[in-house]
Amino acid sequence: DADVTQTPRNRITKTGKRIMLECSQTKGHDRMYWYRQDPGLGLRLIYYSFDVKDINKGEISDGYSVSRQAQAKFSLSLESAIPNQTALYFCATSDSVWGPGQPQHFGDGTRLSIL
Amino acid sequence: DQQVKQNSPSLSVQEGRISILNCDYTNSMFDYFLWYKKYPAEGPTFLISISSIKDKNEDGRFTVFLNKSAKHLSLHIVPSQPGDSAVYFCAASAGNNRKLIWGLGTSLAVNP
Repeated sequence: DADVTQTPRNRITKTGKRIMLECSQTKGHDRMYWYRQDPGLGLRLIYYSFDVKDINKGEISDGYSVSRQAQAKFSLSLESAIPNQTALYFCATSDSVWGPGQPQHFGDGTRLSIL
Repeated sequence: DQQVKQNSPSLSVQEGRISILNCDYTNSMFDYFLWYKKYPAEGPTFLISISSIKDKNEDGRFTVFLNKSAKHLSLHIVPSQPGDSAVYFCAASAGNNRKLIWGLGTSLAVNP
């Protein structure tokens, strides 16, 4: 079983719909992240959470919201989807315990298409 | 403005030879650098990292070199294998929040 699981893996929806992408992890990490990847733009951070009560905006948070329901679960919502939110979305986790330089561990991504 | 730049979108290398992937950065506050590998339909996977207090870190066939004065790092893969064919991302972080700033990636093709 994957350590970081994203659901769904693929989603096609229409403009204006509310969408939730879910992420769960079994790694026991305290930190979780949501990224989007677009062709030619690399990975950009949407939101991150350092623990259940700590939520922070990343570089492109407009149009998105998140919820950290438990240490192991971090969901990303698009309240009213628009076509330019079509992208590949990744969830990642990391462990703060061992200090700086700890790598982030990624799920396999959700491919989201908004028509 | 790209703070982390990977100027070569693609690289092709013969099996058994050395692959050298380059990364430049502009922010002198970066103190950790990481390389990730990404296969199609999978998330990025961590490969190797280096702290700014070092100039080299080695792990098997993978070595990362850091030149702080030039704000440049490189990943060497020796010998290259067909299974190394993937997109390689360079990432950097600074300060206590440990957010990663990513390059755009270099697609490596290792030809048999």
